[in-house]
Amino acid sequence: AAGVIQSPRHLIKEKRETATLKCYPIPRHDTVYWYQQGPGQDPQFLISFYEKMQSDKGSIPDRFSAQQFSDYHSELNMSSLELGDSALYFCASSSRAGFHEQFFGPGTRLTVL
Amino acid sequence: AQTVTQSQPEMSVQEAETVTLSCTYDTSESDYYLFWYKQPPSRQMILVIRQEAYKQQNATENRFSVNFQKAAKSFSLKISDSQLGDAAMYFCAYRSLETSGSRLTFGEGTQLTVNP
Repeated sequence: AAGVIQSPRHLIKEKRETATLKCYPIPRHDTVYWYQQGPGQDPQFLISFYEKMQSDKGSIPDRFSAQQFSDYHSELNMSSLELGDSALYFCASSSRAGFHEQFFGPGTRLTVL
Repeated sequence: AQTVTQSQPEMSVQEAETVTLSCTYDTSESDYYLFWYKQPPSRQMILVIRQEAYKQQNATENRFSVNFQKAAKSFSLKISDSQLGDAAMYFCAYRSLETSGSRLTFGEGTQLTVNP
């Protein structure tokens, strides 16, 4: 079965640089979620999109922005990177038909030097 | 806002034995889902089991079962016949059905070690 695809899997950036993380949901899934998991922490919700519209917003810094495109893939744009942004970024997807279950991608490990 | 608490940072179990991981949550809502996710060393988040709050019957998935106590706001995970592959970080998660959006709120996690 197809799973959530995230790219890149690993990313190394310098402070103050920008980064773009991509997420391709499971086919026919219309909702995408972004989570950030710092070292030794639980995943924290950042933002979600349903049918290309923002549906919920969590603790996402103003330096970050995200969107969902017409093909339902999503991108998380991160600017002015800080050392504290180093984390594992998960994308998850779900369908309104399977309203309650989120399927997670493998994550993108971002390291800011 | 809802909170999820896992009071056991670490647990260990002997292979083939049974272990129970604890989770409590705080909410004023009556409609929600609860989940247990497993995160092995690969860091992949894998859904283990889910429970709908309106269902009184406890969910079961093969060797995994839950003890859902809605009044006590408790949601423990029992792993029977533990296997080496069960070793992972386990996260309890809450999802509201009453507020907009469908974010998951996670507990701090319990690191499970399975001893051969």
